[in-house]
Amino acid sequence: EDKVVQSPLSLVVHEGDTVTLNCSYEVTNFRSLLWYKQEKKAPTFLFMLTSSGIEKKSGRLSSILDKKELFSILNITATQTGDSAVYLCAPTQGGSEKLVFGKGTKLTVNP
Amino acid sequence: GAVVSQHPSWVICKSGTSVKIECRSLDFQATTMFWYRQFPKQSLMLMATSNEGSKATYEQGVEKDKFLINHASLTLSTLTVTSAHPEDSSFYICSAGIVGLYNEQFFGPGTRLTVL
Repeated sequence: EDKVVQSPLSLVVHEGDTVTLNCSYEVTNFRSLLWYKQEKKAPTFLFMLTSSGIEKKSGRLSSILDKKELFSILNITATQTGDSAVYLCAPTQGGSEKLVFGKGTKLTVNP
Repeated sequence: GAVVSQHPSWVICKSGTSVKIECRSLDFQATTMFWYRQFPKQSLMLMATSNEGSKATYEQGVEKDKFLINHASLTLSTLTVTSAHPEDSSFYICSAGIVGLYNEQFFGPGTRLTVL
């Protein structure tokens, strides 16, 4: 059975802190891993990772994939209150268009 | 690019009525659209996958006669919650997929359904 585990489930930090969110997965015929940010509405796309060891960056956010160890991390540096959200990871699979979502990490950034 | 819209963004209805939610891909043709449901403090749960011109594929435990999906074109899919009950109250989100090597999905803003 396909499995996606995110950790921690919940995290509370102060503005300016750096956080690392984890996503481990076990899916058949892995193709890519997607990261999303969900505030009060639907998820917004952050990154798509397809190759091991290649960091993707967007401002203060960065992410990397390890296909050998089957995990990905999402880093956020110099956190701001606007980063407060649930962060979801989802691997995609060849031969299937479905996304398998983890339960998400709820990040709260306090001023 | 890759914008997906949903309408309505929120709806309140009486128990026993039916509610239709539209999902549109605005600037691309989506080969596949997905419907998710999300209860408070839970992750997205896939309800069904729909391909244009064919019947939707429902996930286990989702009643296809209650959640009717029509995918009339490459840019429009609709979800109708028939004979809605309070337990159907939830956040319904669609996504539109671009089938390719990596199968990206783009999400609509969601529809908050409250059944009284």
